[in-house]
Amino acid sequence: GENVEQHPSTLSVQEGDSAVIKCTYSDSASNYFPWYKQELGKRPQLIIDIRSNVGEKKDQRIAVTLNKTAKHFSLHITETQPEDSAVYFCAASKARGRGSTLGRLYFGRGTQLTVWP
Amino acid sequence: DTEVTQTPKHLVMGMTNKKSLKCEQHMGHRAMYWYKQKAKKPPELMFVYSYEKLSINESVPSRFSPECPNSSLLNLHLHALQPEDSALYLCASRHTGEGSYTFGSGTRLTVV
Repeated sequence: GENVEQHPSTLSVQEGDSAVIKCTYSDSASNYFPWYKQELGKRPQLIIDIRSNVGEKKDQRIAVTLNKTAKHFSLHITETQPEDSAVYFCAASKARGRGSTLGRLYFGRGTQLTVWP
Repeated sequence: DTEVTQTPKHLVMGMTNKKSLKCEQHMGHRAMYWYKQKAKKPPELMFVYSYEKLSINESVPSRFSPECPNSSLLNLHLHALQPEDSALYLCASRHTGEGSYTFGSGTRLTVV
């Protein structure tokens, strides 16, 4: 099965700085890579996702990059704000093609991001 | 309706009790999921239903019993739980063949 590694496990940045979280995956058939933000006691919230036919995607202060050859994808948050503080999870899945019907998500272990004012 | 609704939001139960968690969606999603999540850990997959049939059981103890009565509803029946089963239980759904999940807000379960 798929194995997703996520680093770092904790990340502290000053407000206004950038934050980068990195993930690697093992199954070259994975083709869908979502990122979730989870605040304490709340549901995981999809913040951005990328499919394997795209190398980069951006949504305001958040961007995700994907390197299929290296099986590596990263989340970039610019101009961080205290409200960005949360646990962030990366995940990998087969969104299309064989095995996509079940579409199970394989999660990384999470990164606790703290943004200091 | 673009939400997955879970009830109850909070549940406290004794180890001899029987209770059920409920999940409902009206987005036409034919894949539905139960996840268990401990604090600051990633969600752990428990069960996957595809077209109302149980497709994946991740070796979950029999004290957890899933049920999918129709394409909009997913239940998780609980009995004889242990204190270590206390966790946030998340339901999710998606269109088969599409990537994006929709998570419910979860049920915070405490077993005493």
